[in-house]
Amino acid sequence: DGGITQSPKYLFRKEGQNVTLSCEQNLNHDAMYWYRQDPGQGLRLIYYSQIVNDFQKGDIAEGYSVSREKKESFPLTVTSAQKNPTAFYLCASSIDLTSGGQLRSGELFFGEGSRLTVL
Amino acid sequence: GIQVEQSPPDLILQEGANSTLRCNFSDSVNNLQWFHQNPWGQLINLFYIPSGTKQNGRLSATTVATERYSLLYISSSQTTDSGVYFCAVATQAGTALIFGKGTTLSVSS
Repeated sequence: DGGITQSPKYLFRKEGQNVTLSCEQNLNHDAMYWYRQDPGQGLRLIYYSQIVNDFQKGDIAEGYSVSREKKESFPLTVTSAQKNPTAFYLCASSIDLTSGGQLRSGELFFGEGSRLTVL
Repeated sequence: GIQVEQSPPDLILQEGANSTLRCNFSDSVNNLQWFHQNPWGQLINLFYIPSGTKQNGRLSATTVATERYSLLYISSSQTTDSGVYFCAVATQAGTALIFGKGTTLSVSS
């Protein structure tokens, strides 16, 4: 079945350790995104990528890093520089649409999320 | 950046009731989507609606882009409608969606 797979679903980390969250999609979507969700805060954009080997910072990129070596994959590393990493992390993907000369994302599809807890 | 405000923040309904959720945004947008997050955290896309009106079963949505708001209507609510409803928008300057803080809906039988 087509979809977005995130792993692991649950992850515990000690302070000072880096951790990498995996996101794979087989929808042949161009764009991929990482969001962070805290209770009562909605979703905040960390990074996004519209094409292989290129990505842009979102609103809360500090303490995170990403790579986009393949169209299907967009892993997120939570580094020790992220001061408050405990959160629910959501990966998403979409087709990029061009309309009237403007680029915009199509429908956004989400993975099931990864819940990171720092001990 | 663009501001997205959703109201009400919380909504409690009896099964069978109707409801209207609102999303206001502070700038012109070329993309607006509504999502439902179930109690297990899974987000489902409900509508892709940068303008106009769409219906899907008991749910419908209307976006008035010139007045910078969108409405999500839920009719004959069911307990399975419970969860958090998010509105997300993107401006003409970029493609990434920015989310509001959501409306938490609780439907009781």
